[in-house]
Amino acid sequence: DVKVTQSSRYLVKRTGEKVFLECVQDMDHENMFWYRQDPGLGLRLIYFSYDVKMKEKGDIPEGYSVSREKKERFSLILESASTNQTSMYLCASSLRIGGLHPPHTFGSGTRLTVV
Amino acid sequence: ILNVEQSPQSLHVQEGDSTNFTCSFPSSNFYALHWYRWETAKSPEALFVMTLNGDEKKKGRISATLNTKEGYSYLYIKGSQPEDSATYLCAPPMDSSYKLIFGSGTRLLVRP
Repeated sequence: DVKVTQSSRYLVKRTGEKVFLECVQDMDHENMFWYRQDPGLGLRLIYFSYDVKMKEKGDIPEGYSVSREKKERFSLILESASTNQTSMYLCASSLRIGGLHPPHTFGSGTRLTVV
Repeated sequence: ILNVEQSPQSLHVQEGDSTNFTCSFPSSNFYALHWYRWETAKSPEALFVMTLNGDEKKKGRISATLNTKEGYSYLYIKGSQPEDSATYLCAPPMDSSYKLIFGSGTRLLVRP
């Protein structure tokens, strides 16, 4: 069964801490994504990577960075966590097929609380 | 940024009822439309990727239709069951890339 695995289901961090959220997929997908989900809002794209070491900003990249050193792993980094980054974070991956839009496969999410 | 709207925001139905909800999106520069189901404490799961105007897709009791000219898609659930309780999300691509813009979802609760 194909999987996207997020390293933590729940995290509690302090304001100002550097936080790493890890995501690993075993499907050899080229594309990987980080979203956050807040009540009343849809999933909002933070960053997208279409290949190793390649990244694009999404709608809300401020306060975040990403790292993709290997195809299967995509890390989201909160440089200095703030309370407004308390949220559910979802990682996803998809194939890259020119002209098509394959579906995302999602991880189960990390609920981050910044205190 | 695309404006994607889903209605209603939430829906409570009795087991056995059929139901439908709507996803509206800009009709210009259409590429595709994704539907996902997100059950509580689980990962969002892809239901359909629709690309052609007039397209209709079906998966068990769930089906979806697409009208790209007027910019909407309907999701239908026939004979709702408690296990259909979930948030249903639609998402067109932002542009010709693989990035999606998600609506805020329709939360369905099916009472036994």
